Amino acid sequence: EIVLTQSPGTLSLSPGEKATLSCRASQSVTTSSLAWYHQKPGQAPRLLISGASSRATGIPDRFSGSGSGTDFILTISRLEPEDFAVYYCQYYDNSLLGYTFGQGTKLEIK
Amino acid sequence: QVQLVESGGGLVKPGGSLRLSCTASGFTFSNYYMAWIRQAPGKGLEWISYISTSSTYTNFAGSLKGRFTISRDDAKSSLYLQMNSLRAEDTAVYYCVRENVATFDYWGRGTLVTVSS
Repeated sequence: EIVLTQSPGTLSLSPGEKATLSCRASQSVTTSSLAWYHQKPGQAPRLLISGASSRATGIPDRFSGSGSGTDFILTISRLEPEDFAVYYCQYYDNSLLGYTFGQGTKLEIK
Repeated sequence: QVQLVESGGGLVKPGGSLRLSCTASGFTFSNYYMAWIRQAPGKGLEWISYISTSSTYTNFAGSLKGRFTISRDDAKSSLYLQMNSLRAEDTAVYYCVRENVATFDYWGRGTLVTVSS
């Protein structure tokens, strides 16, 4: 079973700064099956990135995803106040026919 | 617009059962795989189960096989989760989600299930 490890656990930054969030898989994964979400307090998660690098509908271009193999990155180029949330990566394992999430990175205002 | 509305959550005693429902609108329900994801209080996301179009395939997270059952009624645009032998660790917000090419592109607001005596 593939395990996704996100780092850091908490990231403290100020509006306008750049955020870099990491998602590392325990073994090489299919890029097309890697996604990112964020979740604001009291809300359901929202899809940000699919296929490791494709922004979902309505997601601003300050969000970008990259990576391959075991290492994936979500970058937020200039933080807006509404970006402070918990971020999750997710993988669909085609061999096990199941999904797994990382444990999350909390992006908080410094 | 796509909407997913869960219902059926509440307080249940350990060992009890509960059936969650999700009503979908704003898209052709029968064309999509659907899934349930849960989130324990203050914790991360846990995928529970998915069901394919036409109910051909289902799959569950390993720890939940045998206690939970997923089903759908395309005529009613509805998704269901039957949960049996509930335990305290099943306490969570349960989300109905639409699956789209290995991602979950739409989420309901969730329904809270509390398992406690």
